[in-house]
Amino acid sequence: EIVLTQSPGTLSLSPGERATLSCRASQSISSSYLAWYQQKPGQAPRLLIYGASGRATGIPDRFSGSGSGTDFTLTISRLEPEDFAVYYCHQCDSLPITFGQGTRVEIK
Amino acid sequence: EVQLVESGGGLVQPGGSLRLSCAASGFTFSSYTMSWVRQAPGKGLERVSGIGDSGTATSYADSVKGRFTISRDNSKNTLYLQMNSLRAEDTAVYYCAKGGLRVVTDHWGQGILVTVTS
Repeated sequence: EIVLTQSPGTLSLSPGERATLSCRASQSISSSYLAWYQQKPGQAPRLLIYGASGRATGIPDRFSGSGSGTDFTLTISRLEPEDFAVYYCHQCDSLPITFGQGTRVEIK
Repeated sequence: EVQLVESGGGLVQPGGSLRLSCAASGFTFSSYTMSWVRQAPGKGLERVSGIGDSGTATSYADSVKGRFTISRDNSKNTLYLQMNSLRAEDTAVYYCAKGGLRVVTDHWGQGILVTVTS
């Protein structure tokens, strides 16, 4: 099983600041099958990034993804009030499909 | 517009059964792998089960193997999850999701709550 470890667990930042979220895989993943999701309370997850760096439809360009192999990063260049949420990385390269444990981005 | 609408959740006693359904629209359902993903209260996401486009290939998390069965009816654009021998730890919001193995999960239903309690 590929274990995805996200860090930090919680990120406390102010609007306008840059957020850098990390996702480390226990073994190498094809970049094509690494995604990032945003989840707000009471809502379903929303796809932000697919293929490690592709922005999903309607996602603002302040969200960007990068990385390869076992190390992946989600960057939010300038936090907007609506960006405070929980973010999950996800791999669908091999079974069982897994998610990271999540990073909470909270208002400082 | 892709829509996934779950139904069939609710309150059930330990050892009981429930069948979740997911009505899909806005895309060619029969062409896509589908999944069920759950989220226990205050916890992260766990992919419970997936099924290939034709319904012949299925996969399960170890936590539900032998108790849950995923299926689909492509003529009705509907995904199912039969849940038997339910346990308290199965309590979660269950999401129907479009995507699976080597197919990005790009759309999610609104989720449906399953509560297992005596």
